[in-house]
Amino acid sequence: DQQVKQNSPSLSVQEGRISILNCDYTNSMFDYFLWYKKYPAEGPTFLISISSIKDKNEDGRFTVFLNKSAKHLSLHIVPSQPGDSAVYFCAASLGNTGFQKLVFGTGTRLLVSP
Amino acid sequence: AAGVIQSPRHLIKEKRETATLKCYPIPRHDTVYWYQQGPGQDPQFLISFYEKMQSDKGSIPDRFSAQQFSDYHSELNMSSLELGDSALYFCASSLGIGGRLNEQFFGPGTRLTVL
Repeated sequence: DQQVKQNSPSLSVQEGRISILNCDYTNSMFDYFLWYKKYPAEGPTFLISISSIKDKNEDGRFTVFLNKSAKHLSLHIVPSQPGDSAVYFCAASLGNTGFQKLVFGTGTRLLVSP
Repeated sequence: AAGVIQSPRHLIKEKRETATLKCYPIPRHDTVYWYQQGPGQDPQFLISFYEKMQSDKGSIPDRFSAQQFSDYHSELNMSSLELGDSALYFCASSLGIGGRLNEQFFGPGTRLTVL
């Protein structure tokens, strides 16, 4: 039972354009969502997060949008840079404490070409 | 800054053998999580420890066991290895009390191949 889904395994974008990565979830009890970036041979690195009480969180070039009614979130990267090329994981949890396990999606591989 | 250390980085074993994966958390972190990522799959939570006690358990097979030691490092012991155990195993660490999810840091992973 896949509770967090990333339906696009890959995405190709030109440098300077917007990258939009999507994520859907099924468990309405999730109340904290995160995006991780993963390079080959490295572990996932935290990128940005959002609490369920918000619908938008912005950090520099990265913005995460949350639509609770649709159980959908998206990550926008503007402008995209070649260094953004990596696998992006969406993750969800039941809270935002240090004790929470993460439920991950399967990831989207982003390729930003010059 | 010190990060989460996992050893070994790569491990090749035969079916029915045993394997031990080690995780050294970031200094002062008292909580450790283990995740398993099969080929083309999402990372799946296996088990976590806080202050040397198991704090949560996920889809960890009975053939696997884990513990956290007094220096907070953790070991994942895997016995009777099966081909399906071939995966990337991530360890993450965080502060339990007072910690935040976005402060859960991942190690580089151990790639286990079972032949």
